[in-house]
Amino acid sequence: KQEVTQIPAALSVPEGENLVLNCSFTDSAIYNLQWFRQDPGKGLTSLLLIQSSQREQTSGRLNASLDKSSGRSTLYIAASQPGDSATYLCAVFNNAGNMLTFGGGTRLMVKP
Amino acid sequence: KAGVTQTPRYLIKTRGQQVTLSCSPISGHRSVSWYQQTPGQGLQFLFEYFSETQRNKGNFPGRFSGRQFSNSRSEMNVSTLELGDSALYLCASGAPSGGWADEQFFGPGTRLTVL
Repeated sequence: KQEVTQIPAALSVPEGENLVLNCSFTDSAIYNLQWFRQDPGKGLTSLLLIQSSQREQTSGRLNASLDKSSGRSTLYIAASQPGDSATYLCAVFNNAGNMLTFGGGTRLMVKP
Repeated sequence: KAGVTQTPRYLIKTRGQQVTLSCSPISGHRSVSWYQQTPGQGLQFLFEYFSETQRNKGNFPGRFSGRQFSNSRSEMNVSTLELGDSALYLCASGAPSGGWADEQFFGPGTRLTVL
């Protein structure tokens, strides 16, 4: 059974810092990995999708990497801003079916 | 292009009642998935529908059911509500080509409170 873990569970940084969020998964047989952002009480916003054959994806100040063999992904946020404050979730599609398995999320606060 | 829409946004029900939630996917998307989000269990997969057929089902009791219509809109139903069913229910759409593991786009969710 696939398990996804995100460390740390919470993170507080001053504005302008570069930061890294970590995601690990137990079963390397994945189709892809998706990073999401969730604001309090809201739905999920898709940030980046990395196919299993890819090593990284970039969108603006965000860069996500994937090391499938070691079961790890990182989300790098450059020059963080208060508007980046949210919960970040990673999720994997694996061979078990057309469904996402989610990590518990990292709650990020960027202080002005 | 409009995103995924869910109705209603908020619901308050009492134990024993039943509830129906609705989801309209992004135009052209044929797959609709449902997830339950609670503080204790996080996000858990309920079921996925594609072309009106349930393709996958999570580990939830039979009180949770769903269906998909020919226009790809989906509904989920929870019967005999329990206090533990209080959660944010999220719908996701994907698979414009009918493929597997396409990028998922989520709606704003329906917040269900069971009293």
